Amino acid sequence: DAKTTQPPSMDCAEGRAANLPCNHSTISGNEYVYWYRQIHSQGPQYIIHGLKNNETNEMASLIITEDRKSSTLILPHATLRDTAVYYCIVRPYSGYALNFGKGTSLLVTP
Amino acid sequence: DGGITQSPKYLFRKEGQNVTLSCEQNLNHDAMYWYRQDPGQGLRLIYYSQIVNDFQKGDIAEGYSVSREKKESFPLTVTSAQKNPTAFYLCASSIRSKDTVFGANVLTFGAGSRLTVL
Repeated sequence: DAKTTQPPSMDCAEGRAANLPCNHSTISGNEYVYWYRQIHSQGPQYIIHGLKNNETNEMASLIITEDRKSSTLILPHATLRDTAVYYCIVRPYSGYALNFGKGTSLLVTP
Repeated sequence: DGGITQSPKYLFRKEGQNVTLSCEQNLNHDAMYWYRQDPGQGLRLIYYSQIVNDFQKGDIAEGYSVSREKKESFPLTVTSAQKNPTAFYLCASSIRSKDTVFGANVLTFGAGSRLTVL
């Protein structure tokens, strides 16, 4: 699997957009980018995934660069409930179990 | 509502004792997984099962055992051979990797079981 690099922590003001970066410079052509988040002491929650096109759902948007070496998860209007650890994972579409690194700890402040 | 139920939520064990963590899902998922999480760390894969009566070791299987006798259930036993069992244990499920509708990498997680060895 391709390795991912995320900043260990970020802050965001409530109501502003939270932009969480992920570097995956060794990604291969059949690998998807997945994002999960984990609120303290809960199980991780799936957010979104994509291959090369930008994706949007009710939770977030995923922007993948044209060379696919990096991506950004965007929470358009962050709320206090978005405070969590966000994991960026790269995996083939039909691969087996996901490997979760340390992720980015996002703190949304009032 | 469909989901994954883990029990117990909190568990205390004396050294040398085996303990079994329960994981039940009603999502009709074929694949199930067990992860371990230590404070401030990411998740590490213990075991996974793609189908009933079959399972594979993950990255840290030593000291753990599993069974998959029913599609809905994937219990994890933490044996006395596990040197440092105090951790947060998470169970997850997904469709099988060969299913292409949504991808096997969209996991649904339970709320976790926190095991403390005294």
